[in-house]
Amino acid sequence: SYELTQPPSMSVSPGQTARITCSGDALPRQYIYWYQQKPGQAPLVVIYKDNHRPSEIPERFSGSSSETIGTLTISGVQAEDEADYYCHSVDSSGVVIFGGGTKLTVL
Amino acid sequence: QLHLHESGPRLLKPSETLSLACSVSTDSISSWSYYWAWIRQSPGKGLEWIGSISISGGTYSNPSLKSRITMSMDTPKNQFSLELKSMTAADTAVYYCARQRAPPDWYFDLWGRDTLVTVSS
Repeated sequence: SYELTQPPSMSVSPGQTARITCSGDALPRQYIYWYQQKPGQAPLVVIYKDNHRPSEIPERFSGSSSETIGTLTISGVQAEDEADYYCHSVDSSGVVIFGGGTKLTVL
Repeated sequence: QLHLHESGPRLLKPSETLSLACSVSTDSISSWSYYWAWIRQSPGKGLEWIGSISISGGTYSNPSLKSRITMSMDTPKNQFSLELKSMTAADTAVYYCARQRAPPDWYFDLWGRDTLVTVSS
């Protein structure tokens, strides 16, 4: 299997754009998924299959993937977006890999 | 509304076997649309996938845990289970059961409530 690498933390001011990256050698061949986890809660999928957003997720969340890097973009960050964000992919044999997570702080 | 409810011991001694069950309400685990998964999170750490199982016979495990894992499904009870052998303090974590979309989607779209399992002598 392979690894997915995320920055451990980042911070943005309200209203700014946050871009959280996830890098992995197999990403050109595999989808990437993104989860939001707030303290004491289970993760919640915010983006699936690179750039699809579940209907209940706000439009300010978007995803993209290019070569070996996937990106979760949060446009117009709000205080409620402060959370840990994890990327996830699956290798060709069905093994699930999670990134180490990025702690997003809203200043 | 679909719910996942975990049951099992919360405190184990080193070398014991963890046995967790996840009951699924209002939906059938026999659906070919989903896999059923276990994921854990050590205190203050990231997510670690344990394994996934489906009615189609597919079973996928984390290579680092594969030798210690047994997963099964009980369709009459509509629940799935995890056994993790030879527990150590390093296995202390919050354990989640989750619904995973079948390929090619693969993502976890529903999670159970966190279950903290502590391994201590």
